[in-house]
Amino acid sequence: DTEVTQTPKHLVMGMTNKKSLKCEQHMGHRAMYWYKQKAKKPPELMFVYSYEKLSINESVPSRFSPECPNSSLLNLHLHALQPEDSALYLCASSQGEDCAYEQYFGPGTRLTVT
Amino acid sequence: KNEVEQSPQNLTAQEGEFITINCSYSVGISALHWLQQHPGGGIVSLFMLSSGKKKHGRLIATINIQEKHSSLHITASHPRDSAVYICAVSHSNTGNQFYFGTGTSLTVIP
Repeated sequence: DTEVTQTPKHLVMGMTNKKSLKCEQHMGHRAMYWYKQKAKKPPELMFVYSYEKLSINESVPSRFSPECPNSSLLNLHLHALQPEDSALYLCASSQGEDCAYEQYFGPGTRLTVT
Repeated sequence: KNEVEQSPQNLTAQEGEFITINCSYSVGISALHWLQQHPGGGIVSLFMLSSGKKKHGRLIATINIQEKHSSLHITASHPRDSAVYICAVSHSNTGNQFYFGTGTSLTVIP
């Protein structure tokens, strides 16, 4: 199984809502990533988890809150978002994050903040 | 200045043409990755290279470490190859963090 799954596929939320994005992999990968991608731009790294611990936070606003409940699951909790947070949110995983590995990407969640 | 530069930004080709996309980088790397993104989102890893050349079907990727340059070639292009192709590098000293190029949008016309 070389698949990374993400739910939901699409999400529309108001600025006062609280919602969560979910990412799952069953490849035994020890590193998981959240990226934000705006239209016609490359992905921007938000967070990296390594062995279920947060190892990189790229100065992401606190309205985005990551969580790694176990080695297969990664969540991104959203609260009080702004319209400019509308984007495609991609999750990825790799064997590790200590050296170069392939990253396996999920299909993404397209988020619209109204 | 982006550490990873790609060219061209946009490319239109006739079906059957040979296509080349270029990637240059300015930092020491442990690996270079070629990724494909179709409209609608998902990103697929095509190649991970640290030296030489790799081939998968109609796709060929090469890297020249001394010149800090990589190319992705598509032979006998097909409309289903239409996608954005992204070059990314893993720095020598930042583990598996990817640094992305701006992407090349390829359209193959039947």
